Amino acid sequence: EDKVVQSPLSLVVHEGDTVTLNCSYEVTNFRSLLWYKQEKKAPTFLFMLTSSGIEKKSGRLSSILDKKELFSILNITATQTGDSAVYLCAVESFASGTYKYIFGTGTRLKVLA
Amino acid sequence: SAVISQKPSRDICQRGTSLTIQCQVDSQVTMMFWYRQQPGQSLTLIATANQGSEATYESGFVIDKFPISRPNLTFSTLTVSNMSPEDSSIYLCSVGPPGGGYGYTFGSGTRLTVV
Repeated sequence: EDKVVQSPLSLVVHEGDTVTLNCSYEVTNFRSLLWYKQEKKAPTFLFMLTSSGIEKKSGRLSSILDKKELFSILNITATQTGDSAVYLCAVESFASGTYKYIFGTGTRLKVLA
Repeated sequence: SAVISQKPSRDICQRGTSLTIQCQVDSQVTMMFWYRQQPGQSLTLIATANQGSEATYESGFVIDKFPISRPNLTFSTLTVSNMSPEDSSIYLCSVGPPGGGYGYTFGSGTRLTVV
């Protein structure tokens, strides 16, 4: 059965800290891995990773994928209170002509002022 | 990427009643997805809705409980039928180009509380 596991489940840090969020997966017919930020209800897209070892970067956020070891990390440097959210990892698979997302349980990040 | 308008934003419903959630997309899309997020949990796919065909339901979800309509390429509804408190969740619709570089776009979500 396909699964996506995120760790830690929750994290509390102070502004300015650097955090690393982990996502491991066991998914057949892997196509891509995506990171989302969920603050209220709707997740918002952060990164899409398809190739191993190529870092994607956006401001203070960066992410990388290791397709051999089946994991990805999301780094946030110099955290701010606005980074407080649930960070979701999702793996996209393609099988029998259908695309599908499998979501991890999420990491709840709280950044204290 | 597409913009999705989802209604209602939230609702409190009596058990045994039904609620229909609507998603309107600002462009034509082939596939729309409906997710449920129970309190403290991650997103679980309910079904995939293609225009002109029956929705495809994931294991654990049935059409009688979650009927879906997809009358055209920009609109879909999900009905939560005969509700019980266990149906209290956030419901989200989503669209996206398969394998697209910007991921899937989500509607703003419907927070449903069943009392």
